Amino acid sequence: SQQGEEDPQALSIQEGENATMNCSYKTSINNLQWYRQNSGRGLVHLILIRSNEREKHSGRLRVTLDTSKKSSSLLITASRAADTASYFCATVFGGSNYKLTFGKGTLLTVNP
Amino acid sequence: EPEVTQTPSHQVTQMGQEVILRCVPISNHLYFYWYRQILGQKVEFLVSFYNNEISEKSEIFDDQFSVERPDGSNFTLKIRSTKLEDSAMYFCASIPTGGGSPLHFGNGTRLTVT
Repeated sequence: SQQGEEDPQALSIQEGENATMNCSYKTSINNLQWYRQNSGRGLVHLILIRSNEREKHSGRLRVTLDTSKKSSSLLITASRAADTASYFCATVFGGSNYKLTFGKGTLLTVNP
Repeated sequence: EPEVTQTPSHQVTQMGQEVILRCVPISNHLYFYWYRQILGQKVEFLVSFYNNEISEKSEIFDDQFSVERPDGSNFTLKIRSTKLEDSAMYFCASIPTGGGSPLHFGNGTRLTVT
């Protein structure tokens, strides 16, 4: 399987704490993306990191990519109750067709 | 900000019936996708569509499924004879160009087959 796999499957933290979610994949990629999904809603793009990048920031989000280990992490700093959602990594592989392959996701619960 | 819109938000149908799920992608986008998510499971790729034809489809996208862009704005997914296991959230997505762009997703249609 080429899909990304996140861990942990579920993470529960207190407001103000940092949350770290990890993603691993199996083959070479063009880019890796992180998405958020509130319960019963669509996926919202958070951040995209290309295969030649190692780290990217967006507000309270920090994403790292280690292509040698085929892994990525998403760090949410100073978490808020509103960050409660499922977070998915999605990978884009080499090839002629542009297609995202999603992992199983991490359910993050931020307790107030 | 432009959005991908999907209708209906919830569709209930009986096994064996045909359903059509509708999507209006963002107007200047060129690549269109359908994904599905069975409750509690991962988001699975079904099909990609570009230049009025299927670019790629997964093994899930069998002969029961078809997609169409009947006019300049709508993008539809048809399931000819629904099965219980087709119950899922179906998400439409679009992007303006083929490489390096994040997908813009609609809020999904929850399909319940009884």
